[in-house]
Amino acid sequence: DAKTTQPNSMESNEEEPVHLPCNHSTISGTDYIHWYRQLPSQGPEYVIHGLTSNVNNRMASLAIAEDRKSSTLILHRATLRDAAVYYCILTSGNTPLVFGKGTRLSVIA
Amino acid sequence: DTEVTQTPKHLVMGMTNKKSLKCEQHMGHRAMYWYKQKAKKPPELMFVYSYEKLSINESVPSRFSPECPNSSLLNLHLHALQPEDSALYLCASSQGPAGGYEKLFFGSGTQLSVL
Repeated sequence: DAKTTQPNSMESNEEEPVHLPCNHSTISGTDYIHWYRQLPSQGPEYVIHGLTSNVNNRMASLAIAEDRKSSTLILHRATLRDAAVYYCILTSGNTPLVFGKGTRLSVIA
Repeated sequence: DTEVTQTPKHLVMGMTNKKSLKCEQHMGHRAMYWYKQKAKKPPELMFVYSYEKLSINESVPSRFSPECPNSSLLNLHLHALQPEDSALYLCASSQGPAGGYEKLFFGSGTQLSVL
């Protein structure tokens, strides 16, 4: 199974942009890159996903390296409500979502 | 309606009890999932149902018994659990079968304590 590597934790100041990195050097051509986040006391929440091209939605942007071996989730202006564990996950074919350890993001006021 | 509803939110049970967790979605999704999450750990996949049929069982002990009575409803029947089974049990659904570009919608979970 393709694996991802994320930093255990990151810290950001409120209203600053946040770049959350994810390495996936063994990614295959059919793997989608998904990002989910889990706020305290809640279930995980879909953030964004992509295959090859960069993606934007109302929550975040996903920047995918040209060789697809890494990606970065970008929160354009962090708020206190963005404090959560962020998971970078690869899926393909019939493979369901399998969570790694994720990155715990702290946002400082 | 983009919600996955799980009941109960909290459950305390003894090791000899039988209880059930319930999950419901009305988004017309055809795949449903059970995950287990211990404190400070990532969610772990337990079961996947696609089109109301069990498609994945991640070697879960038989004291956990899933059931999918229809495409909107998913149950997890619990019997003779151990204290180490105490965890947050999360239900999720997706429009199509697991994998690829499908995005999952999660409920808030049932916090289970086994005494």
